[in-house]
Amino acid sequence: AQRVTQPEKLLSVFKGAPVELKCNYSYSGSPELFWYVQYSRQRLQLLLRHISRESIKGFTADLNKGETSFHLKKPFAQEEDSAMYYCALSGGAGGTSYGKLTFGQGTILTVHP
Amino acid sequence: DTGVSQNPRHKITKRGQNVTFRCDPISEHNRLYWYRQTLGQGPEFLTYFQNEAQLEKSRLLSDRFSAERPKGSFSTLEIQRTEQGDSAMYLCASRAGTGIVVKEKLFFGSGTQLSVL
Repeated sequence: AQRVTQPEKLLSVFKGAPVELKCNYSYSGSPELFWYVQYSRQRLQLLLRHISRESIKGFTADLNKGETSFHLKKPFAQEEDSAMYYCALSGGAGGTSYGKLTFGQGTILTVHP
Repeated sequence: DTGVSQNPRHKITKRGQNVTFRCDPISEHNRLYWYRQTLGQGPEFLTYFQNEAQLEKSRLLSDRFSAERPKGSFSTLEIQRTEQGDSAMYLCASRAGTGIVVKEKLFFGSGTQLSVL
């Protein structure tokens, strides 16, 4: 069975401070990991995925298979980063599993001025 | 708005009634997914269509739930004999299925919020 755990429901930081949103997963194969974000009154949208090794809006995430983690990091948080963040897992790239995601419970990030 | 469209945005119903939701995916997307999200939880996968074929259903999808995608375009999700536990946000998502994984992206709709009284 696959599982995604986000241990923090709420995270508050001040503008300019570093931020790290934690994500741990459980999956027996080679997973695809994603971070999705939902800003206030907007729909859920993809922030980044590990397969692309991209940095979006200053956020990065490294897949650590040894620790089964995919923590989201940003060195200097901005007020506009305040949102709900979901870590998600797909059982392998491509095919039917790609859109079938297992989500964590989410972390509400608040960046104070 | 050319994104994934869901109707209605909100639905209030009495226990025991049937409800139907509609999802219009992005026009060129052949893959369509339904998710359910309850308060304080992340979305949970319900079912998946490739064109008109329903290829996978979650165990969450009891026999009171049925989903269709008759012409491979829009999809409907029907809940019969609603129960209070069905109250949730029902999300639809679609993707192109190009086969180029690194370029594929799942697009979500705004959801239908169901309240069963």
